[in-house]
Amino acid sequence: DTGVSQNPRHKITKRGQNVTFRCDPISEHNRLYWYRQTLGQGPEFLTYFQNEAQLEKSRLLSDRFSAERPKGSFSTLEIQRTEQGDSAMYLCASSFGTGFTEAFFGQGTRLTVV
Amino acid sequence: DAKTTQPTSMDCAEGRAANLPCNHSTISGNEYVYWYRQIHSQGPQYIIHGLKNNETNEMASLIITEDRKSSTLILPHATLRDTAVYYCIVRDPGTASKLTFGTGTRLQVTL
Repeated sequence: DTGVSQNPRHKITKRGQNVTFRCDPISEHNRLYWYRQTLGQGPEFLTYFQNEAQLEKSRLLSDRFSAERPKGSFSTLEIQRTEQGDSAMYLCASSFGTGFTEAFFGQGTRLTVV
Repeated sequence: DAKTTQPTSMDCAEGRAANLPCNHSTISGNEYVYWYRQIHSQGPQYIIHGLKNNETNEMASLIITEDRKSSTLILPHATLRDTAVYYCIVRDPGTASKLTFGTGTRLQVTL
């Protein structure tokens, strides 16, 4: 197991385009999280899945953002009609079990909207 | 989740102990203290967590005051590879699904 994998690592897109990021969690991890991080700030929570169910969404997740985890394994985060303010690092994390367990983070996808 | 306060930055000489403080004066009885770190261009990495007893693992030690209003993360022999942003997070594992990161402490380990 090589840990949480995120693709692509970098994405440059023009304003108004749609982008999709993929996260492959550690095998058998039932929990999956998406975070966003801008320069100089700590990661901000976006959304959380337990298996295929999306259980929590931040108000940061506007209607242009959608996340899915169709089979309870990998997840995708799509941003429609990108804006310059969407430029950030998008981090995915996964964990196993209930209650607190250690969350493992991927290396993130850096999005630049030009 | 209770709010935490950390110094913005700290320096430490290589080979010395790095002591990173965190204030969490509004912590409640069910909330744990967690520490993560983020090395440049990488995702955050779990370090350690505790409730009220001091904890130690292969990476660090966590000292929590008796009143639980503050804690200190100790890296006993800091190396250049420990240069990172360190985040102190307080949460109730029974109710919260997410980690709420602040801005953390930027630790610079120098020769």
